[in-house]
Amino acid sequence: DTAVSQTPKYLVTQMGNDKSIKCEQNLGHDTMYWYKQDSKKFLKIMFSYNNKELIINETVPNRFSPKSPDKAHLNLHINSLELGDSAVYFCASSGPGLAGDEQFFGPGTRLTVL
Amino acid sequence: AQSVAQPEDQVNVAEGNPLTVKCTYSVSGNPYLFWYVQYPNRGLQFLLKYITGDNLVKGSYGFEAEFNKSQTSFHLKKPSALVSDSALYFCAVRPRTSGTYKYIFGTGTRLKVLA
Repeated sequence: DTAVSQTPKYLVTQMGNDKSIKCEQNLGHDTMYWYKQDSKKFLKIMFSYNNKELIINETVPNRFSPKSPDKAHLNLHINSLELGDSAVYFCASSGPGLAGDEQFFGPGTRLTVL
Repeated sequence: AQSVAQPEDQVNVAEGNPLTVKCTYSVSGNPYLFWYVQYPNRGLQFLLKYITGDNLVKGSYGFEAEFNKSQTSFHLKKPSALVSDSALYFCAVRPRTSGTYKYIFGTGTRLKVLA
């Protein structure tokens, strides 16, 4: 059973389109995250939800909108895609953090904007 | 500002030799410390973490890490490198402050183990 899953794995689209990436975790975790990894492999946090509440919202264009319908799901919707949005997007989850819980990462979604 | 530094973009080591991947951090308090590994076209995988206690932490695949409070470092080590250890390694910290959920990642170090 995959702990953190993302769909789709690959996404190729034209500039200006709107797309969504879905993430699901079956670990029973309360906290979920979205990260962007650029071509240099730098990992940048975008958003985090805890129990469906937005708790981290980094400096991200408002074309990006996360949505958490329940604790096990965190989706990312991107409007008006731009060339610079091309990257690998990772979803992750973690436990309550009371004992330094590690994060579990999904396999990533490679977004290519043409 | 809180930060994590991985001073080496790439580390090359011969198979069978010991390896060290360096990490230092600038985070107040005593944060939790983590190492993750990323293989090509995969997500990050947890290797090990330091919470408290013994400064030498053992993790997956024979890796260990040494916590040094005075130097605020958490270097990743392995006594004998394997070609299959070649991957991208990330150090991360998480402040212990209650209600803090943010993990701060370093820029990654590419480890290349040569046969």
